[in-house]
Amino acid sequence: NAGVMQNPRHLVRRRGQEARLRCSPMKGHSHVYWYRQLPEEGLKFMVYLQKENIIDESGMPKERFSAEFPKEGPSILRIQQVVRGDSAAYFCASSLSANTGELFFGEGSRLTVL
Amino acid sequence: AQRVTQPEKLLSVFKGAPVELKCNYSYSGSPELFWYVQYSRQRLQLLLRHISRESIKGFTADLNKGETSFHLKKPFAQEEDSAMYYCALYSGTYKYIFGTGTRLKVLA
Repeated sequence: NAGVMQNPRHLVRRRGQEARLRCSPMKGHSHVYWYRQLPEEGLKFMVYLQKENIIDESGMPKERFSAEFPKEGPSILRIQQVVRGDSAAYFCASSLSANTGELFFGEGSRLTVL
Repeated sequence: AQRVTQPEKLLSVFKGAPVELKCNYSYSGSPELFWYVQYSRQRLQLLLRHISRESIKGFTADLNKGETSFHLKKPFAQEEDSAMYYCALYSGTYKYIFGTGTRLKVLA
């Protein structure tokens, strides 16, 4: 089992461009979480998804950010019209169920906005 | 508000010395608390959870509801314990709330 796979590991975008971050959960996991880590800050919850459903997006900025977890394929975190403040590490985690108490993390995607 | 506080960004100890990584939480219900660890060049992984009451790699953590704390302890630090440690709270609404992390450096 390869674990949670995130790509790209590093992404550079200019202001106004779009960023797409992908996350393939562990095999058999249908629960996906996205977290953002800003410099000097902890992991901030963004969104929790199950297959084809957004369960909780209370941590997502209201504009420009969206997430999906289609029936087939990876979960995608999409940031439109990026700004410098979006520069951060974005971590994806998956779990077998919503409350098993263990999240399995990817290695993260580091977004840099120029 | 639900919050996890790790007051120390960096903790340096000598090999063989005791270690205590502090974690305080704010939560109105019955909390479930965890410690996650990130070793150099590795991904974040679960170290231990309070409901298990187990010792992993010599680390233990006791939930103190009176002090709203979940400090991570080890009696004798080893160099391989050097890593980033995150305390996390499961709020029961699918959210795992993480602290800002403490970097532990164990000096030879």
